[in-house]
Amino acid sequence: QVQLQESGPGLVKPSETLSLTCTVSGGSISNFYWGWIRQPPGKGLEWIGHIYNSGSTNYNPSLQSRVTISVDMSKNQFSLNLNSVTAADTAVYYCARVRNRQFDYWGQGTLVTVSS
Amino acid sequence: DIQMTQSPSSVSASIGDRVTITCRASQGIGSWLAWYQQKPGKAPRLLIYTASNLQSGVPSRFSGSGSGTDFTLTISGLQPEDFATYYCQQANSFPLTFGGGTKVEIK
Repeated sequence: QVQLQESGPGLVKPSETLSLTCTVSGGSISNFYWGWIRQPPGKGLEWIGHIYNSGSTNYNPSLQSRVTISVDMSKNQFSLNLNSVTAADTAVYYCARVRNRQFDYWGQGTLVTVSS
Repeated sequence: DIQMTQSPSSVSASIGDRVTITCRASQGIGSWLAWYQQKPGKAPRLLIYTASNLQSGVPSRFSGSGSGTDFTLTISGLQPEDFATYYCQQANSFPLTFGGGTKVEIK
């Protein structure tokens, strides 16, 4: 059974960079797409982007100028960097496995608050 | 971007009821639609993929239908564990987008 676990700081200052890592267990990161989705408190879901193990990426145009997703095959991990954050980036961030652009396995989510 | 509109935004129902949630895409997406269930404080869970395919481990009381722009999620015989918020998501083109959610509440 594939399991995903997000890790990273729960508090980030405005204008700084949000960095999260997703560790995949129970299966190889190879041959799948892996993605990030976020959910502001009390609101709906927003796709951030995803990556294939080759490093090929797709990003949401609304975030593209600030986001980078990378993969570390040796650690079975992939990561999210979102720079120049504001309070509007406060959200629960989920990592997920992607199949046919649909999300079949999800991490438990991690709340990231942007505040000074 | 493809806009996904769910209706209703909330529904009150009783145990055993049949509940239907609809999702409309702003343009045709073929069968590229998924449905998710989310309980408070938990990650979403994939229920239905590619419009009508039941994800492994999901009870058969959940079913999905539709193609093009109009889609339906049906829960046949609502159970206590089904009270949650449900989201649709289009998987036809980037950026991937979600509906606003439908909250299923206890009547």
